[in-house]
Amino acid sequence: EVQLVESGGGLVQPGESLRLSCAASGFTFRSSEMNWVRQAPGKGLEWISYISTRGSPKYYIDAVKGRFTISRDNADNSLSLQMNDLRVEDTAVYYCAREAPGTSMALDAWGKGTAVTVSP
Amino acid sequence: SYVLTQPPSVSVAPGQTARITCGGDNIGSKSVHWYQQKPGQAPVLVASDDSDRPPGIPERFSGSNSGNTATLTISRVEGGDEADYYCQVWDTSTDHLYVFGTGTKVTVL
Repeated sequence: EVQLVESGGGLVQPGESLRLSCAASGFTFRSSEMNWVRQAPGKGLEWISYISTRGSPKYYIDAVKGRFTISRDNADNSLSLQMNDLRVEDTAVYYCAREAPGTSMALDAWGKGTAVTVSP
Repeated sequence: SYVLTQPPSVSVAPGQTARITCGGDNIGSKSVHWYQQKPGQAPVLVASDDSDRPPGIPERFSGSNSGNTATLTISRVEGGDEADYYCQVWDTSTDHLYVFGTGTKVTVL
């Protein structure tokens, strides 16, 4: 069974940092392109970052570029998102999601998400 | 940026057909994916590449895409179909490579 489990969320103040992790199991992680998607309270889905199978290339939305860093450890079947200089507008549930093989960039497996709250 | 517009809400009686639209400039030239999200849960892919159904998704869910509108059709709607639905495309014209629609709340009457 494909499983993605996020962790690392919490309550922080503006300017602080958090590191999110996503543990993958049930599939060949090293062959899967991975993403982070977030959802602010009561809002829609927003893709924020992508990483290819070997760790490069990586892509980010402009709003997090320079503050967030996506990385992966294929030996450990894990995905990470280092978030620095957090802002109130980064408050959201963060999901890791796998790109569906054989599709045009669909996301076929999602974790349950981890909540990040940035508040003064 | 590439914008995908969905109606905020769609209401449908049990057993009837729900149609959720996703409007975008020449969206027919792109591959459209659809997600179902129930309250407090992660999204679930219910249709990919316009009209493919992932394993485990009922045949009641079908997709189409042409011109400036993609559509997710849910036939014989059940109470368990009540959820938010999002369309999504891949677009390299801006920084948002994966573009999600605004979302549609489907209410089963």
